[in-house]
Amino acid sequence: GAGVSQSPSNKVTEKGKDVELRCDPISGHTALYWYRQSLGQGLEFLIYFQGNSAPDKSGLPSDRFSAERTGGSVSTLTIQRTQQEDSAVYLCASSPRTVNYGYTFGSGTRLTVV
Amino acid sequence: AQTVTQSQPEMSVQEAETVTLSCTYDTSENNYYLFWYKQPPSRQMILVIRQEAYKQQNATENRFSVNFQKAAKSFSLKISDSQLGDTAMYFCAFMKHASGTYKYIFGTGTRLKVLA
Repeated sequence: GAGVSQSPSNKVTEKGKDVELRCDPISGHTALYWYRQSLGQGLEFLIYFQGNSAPDKSGLPSDRFSAERTGGSVSTLTIQRTQQEDSAVYLCASSPRTVNYGYTFGSGTRLTVV
Repeated sequence: AQTVTQSQPEMSVQEAETVTLSCTYDTSENNYYLFWYKQPPSRQMILVIRQEAYKQQNATENRFSVNFQKAAKSFSLKISDSQLGDTAMYFCAFMKHASGTYKYIFGTGTRLKVLA
């Protein structure tokens, strides 16, 4: 597509439920990232996918968080047993392999856990 | 570990005036990249300008320019002739060159409001 697409745009869920957030990167971009933006804070790295390499999961805050990228394209971030502290904007970005020109971000999913 | 500090949580500027947003960072690396991103209410992060650490010349993009002081580890953003559309959160970001994972380290942002 023309840009990075994320869905849903907003999600309200009850504490303890599982949620899935979807990211559709720019066609041909081999790198895909997930970041979390909590209220009043900067962006926190979660996970990175590059081609067929093993993902860098070093930023995932707990084992309730997982992500996969199927066919080197669409990615899903899953949060199990959501907690109120999971409330944040989850941003996805993609880039060509040469990333020093910066990423292209999506508009994010605002997750609210009530 | 690298850190990025933006010491101005909020700033305002009159339309058509010039404003400078500050950013400092801490790293022991010699090769890296620095970026400024803009985040309007739409939430999408938009790249404003980038700087390669090995280049001494300050980057410019139309009304946006940086003052890169490598020894001082400072990377400020100057916006000239401010426009209402410049109202947004601005994030400074550091990226390490040739790292296994090209992830950003972001500052906490500066909320800029351009006043009519």
